[in-house]
Amino acid sequence: GIQVEQSPPDLILQEGANSTLRCNFSDSVNNLQWFHQNPWGQLINLFYIPSGTKQNGRLSATTVATERYSLLYISSSQTTDSGVYFCAVTNSGGGADGLTFGKGTHLIIQP
Amino acid sequence: NAGVTQTPKFQVLKTGQSMTLQCAQDMNHEYMSWYRQDPGMGLRLIHYSVGAGITDQGEVPNGYNVSRSTTEDFPLRLLSAAPSQTSVYFCASSLDTVGKLPLHFGNGTRLTVT
Repeated sequence: GIQVEQSPPDLILQEGANSTLRCNFSDSVNNLQWFHQNPWGQLINLFYIPSGTKQNGRLSATTVATERYSLLYISSSQTTDSGVYFCAVTNSGGGADGLTFGKGTHLIIQP
Repeated sequence: NAGVTQTPKFQVLKTGQSMTLQCAQDMNHEYMSWYRQDPGMGLRLIHYSVGAGITDQGEVPNGYNVSRSTTEDFPLRLLSAAPSQTSVYFCASSLDTVGKLPLHFGNGTRLTVT
């Protein structure tokens, strides 16, 4: 099946810093989503972005499907950005199926 | 609009016991799915459904059964719990029938099997 690798696995930053999280995938995809799991365990959908660029406030994401990677940018980090960020994809060759998740980037924003 | 609702939030079982994890959504979503999350593993798909009466297996289906009698509900059954099923379980739904639109998650059920 498709492989999803996220980097870095852990990231510790000071409040106000910017960060870039990367997601590499091993095959063509027709579905890519970014999620934030907060310290209470809730999973929030950040972006549905199989290709192109989207922005939502301090967060933006870019997917370059032809080169099989996606980037999540967080600007002016706040402590509430802490948590685990997951990238998840669906292989273009598959039919109805679920998302394959990476193992996540654990982000800690220190005050 | 409650979104995706999972019950219970916490559960402790003894090996061999059975139980059902409940999942309901009020968004009229066709696609529903169950994932388990283990430390360091990300989320893995257990079962999914593209509509009432239709279910299929995901990556890790062994030990779990599902059914989809209505659009709103998608329960997950453990027939004989094993310690390897200790995990956090998430139910998720999506508007389209193949799960390729944004996925919405419930708040999870933390299950411990002793």
